[in-house]
Amino acid sequence: TQLLEQSPQFLSIQEGENLTVYCNSSSVFSSLQWYRQEPGEGPVLLVTVVTGGEVKKLKRLTFQFGDARKDSSLHITAAQPGDTGLYLCAGLRGMNRDDKIIFGKGTRLHILP
Amino acid sequence: EAGVAQSPRYKIIEKRQSVAFWCNPISGHATLYWYQQILGQGPKLLIQFQNNGVVDDSQLPKDRFSAERLKGVDSTLKIQPAKLEDSAVYLCASSPRGTGRTDTQYFGPGTRLTVL
Repeated sequence: TQLLEQSPQFLSIQEGENLTVYCNSSSVFSSLQWYRQEPGEGPVLLVTVVTGGEVKKLKRLTFQFGDARKDSSLHITAAQPGDTGLYLCAGLRGMNRDDKIIFGKGTRLHILP
Repeated sequence: EAGVAQSPRYKIIEKRQSVAFWCNPISGHATLYWYQQILGQGPKLLIQFQNNGVVDDSQLPKDRFSAERLKGVDSTLKIQPAKLEDSAVYLCASSPRGTGRTDTQYFGPGTRLTVL
């Protein structure tokens, strides 16, 4: 069962355009993280959101956690070729050490120069 | 600060052979994770260690996969015997605490395994 659905799976846009990718679930998460993974490397954490409705900005990237803590979005303004990569969301269910972190399948983003 | 180290970076074996991967986490990190990432998918947690104890190995195929973390530092993941469907990137990650909603995982570059 895929608990975290990411959409779209693939996105190819021109440099300078804006885009939004989504991470959705029917489950509630205590926190949600966004990672970026480049070919041949491991994922790198971009942000962690923990409060329903929380919005965090990282330069041209804006992350939002849904009010019910079941979904999240990542918006990129004026995309650059350096934004190219696989964007993964990961949800943590619960706050105890025995609770699992679950990754979505990712959105593969390609920014054309 | 040195990152998470993994070796080898690439491995090609034939089915039914054995293979082992090594991970050296960031110094002082209590928690170590092994993930399997099949092409086109997100990482799937195989096993999580807290110091040298296993916290979660519910998704580890224990008939063929094994892992250990000696002295709560380095870790090895072994597959014996390998199957075609084990072809994937095996990622190691470590985190300072392994608990709490904001604990950060730091990933190594992964080992790409191809089983022929």
